[in-house]
Amino acid sequence: DAGVTQSPTHLIKTRGQQVTLRCSPISGHKSVSWYQQVLGQGPQFIFQYYEKEERGRGNFPDRFSARQFPNYSSELNVNALLLGDSALYLCASSLWAASTDTQYFGPGTRLTVL
Amino acid sequence: DAKTTQPNSMESNEEEPVHLPCNHSTISGTDYIHWYRQLPSQGPEYVIHGLTSNVNNRMASLAIAEDRKSSTLILHRATLRDAAVYYCILKETSGSRLTFGEGTQLTVNP
Repeated sequence: DAGVTQSPTHLIKTRGQQVTLRCSPISGHKSVSWYQQVLGQGPQFIFQYYEKEERGRGNFPDRFSARQFPNYSSELNVNALLLGDSALYLCASSLWAASTDTQYFGPGTRLTVL
Repeated sequence: DAKTTQPNSMESNEEEPVHLPCNHSTISGTDYIHWYRQLPSQGPEYVIHGLTSNVNNRMASLAIAEDRKSSTLILHRATLRDAAVYYCILKETSGSRLTFGEGTQLTVNP
């Protein structure tokens, strides 16, 4: 079975641009979460979506937005990119949005902002 | 969020047991203790979780102190493939977000 997939693998943007990252969850999983991992640190929670509704938001500015589609795939959008947005963006899927759920992570999208 | 404290780094030799400690003195009664690991150039990977009792699975064992203020992840025979950053996470009962700390970088020597 395919795991969580993310696209693109790598991305280079310049300051002020906008970026869209994509995630396909494991088949049957209805919840998708997004995390940002800056080099040398642990991942930081950005969003969780379940059944197309936002279920949680981390401490990130409004430049960050996301959505989930009827097939449970998800997009993360970041507007007005800053140098500090350079990071590995991880998507994780789980069956539900319950606290006991195990989250399965994709390989991430490496975003570099110049 | 309740916080966890882990050593920045640990070393082990191949085929020897590894005990990775985690302190969580402010844990609440309903927080689950989860462990994830992140191999180089990969996303985090679930290892094990528990609430009060010790837990075993094919990857590792989790020993939880009686007062739940600390726990230890045990890899019974370390392999080179176990070299990774190991994260100890307290998972709240409301919602499924994971709050990662800095983790422990485990180095396995051949």
